[in-house]
Amino acid sequence: EVHLVESGGGLVQPGGSLRLSCAISGFSFDDYGMSWVRQAPAKGLEWVSSMTSGGSTDYADSAEGRFTISRDKSKSTLYLQMNSLRGDDTAVYYCAKDRLGVPGPDALDVWGPGTAVTVSS
Amino acid sequence: DIQMTQSPSSLSASVGDRVTISCQASQDIGHYVSWYQHKPGKAPRLLIYDASRLEEGVPSRFSGSRSGTDFTFSISSLQPEDFATYSCQQYDKRPLTFGGGTKVEIK
Repeated sequence: EVHLVESGGGLVQPGGSLRLSCAISGFSFDDYGMSWVRQAPAKGLEWVSSMTSGGSTDYADSAEGRFTISRDKSKSTLYLQMNSLRGDDTAVYYCAKDRLGVPGPDALDVWGPGTAVTVSS
Repeated sequence: DIQMTQSPSSLSASVGDRVTISCQASQDIGHYVSWYQHKPGKAPRLLIYDASRLEEGVPSRFSGSRSGTDFTFSISSLQPEDFATYSCQQYDKRPLTFGGGTKVEIK
């Protein structure tokens, strides 16, 4: 069974850093792309970053230059390194798996329950 | 970026009602639209992909359709477990973009 679980959220001061993790099971990074999606309080879902099965990465403008997506295949874990955090980064962060193993953008068929990030002094 | 304009932002309905939610894309995106259900503290759930295809295991009371750049999501007979927020997403082009969400509440 495919399963995703995020961790690493918490309270951080503006300008600080945080690394989110997403532990996967039931499939391989070699076969499916992955994404990070967030939802700020009282807002809709917002795509943050993606990594294809081949390792190519992409970022939303709001994340470019501050966030880095990566993965450790040996640990079956996806990461989101977040630096220079701002108040508007406060959100629940979800990792999600592409439905198909194709290089292009895709629907997201399995999501984790999310991890909450609060950026505040 | 492709904008997904979703309406309404919220609605009140009763068990057994038919519910319809709309999303309009800012440009032609073919059939590359998915619909998700999300509840607080839980993982979002994929219900519909490719505008009208039902994800495996999703009840048949959920459906989706497309007319040009207009996409519609429906629940034929609302059940107690369906009270949640529903969002559309386009995946024709990066960046992936979502509609603002529709909160379905109990009347």
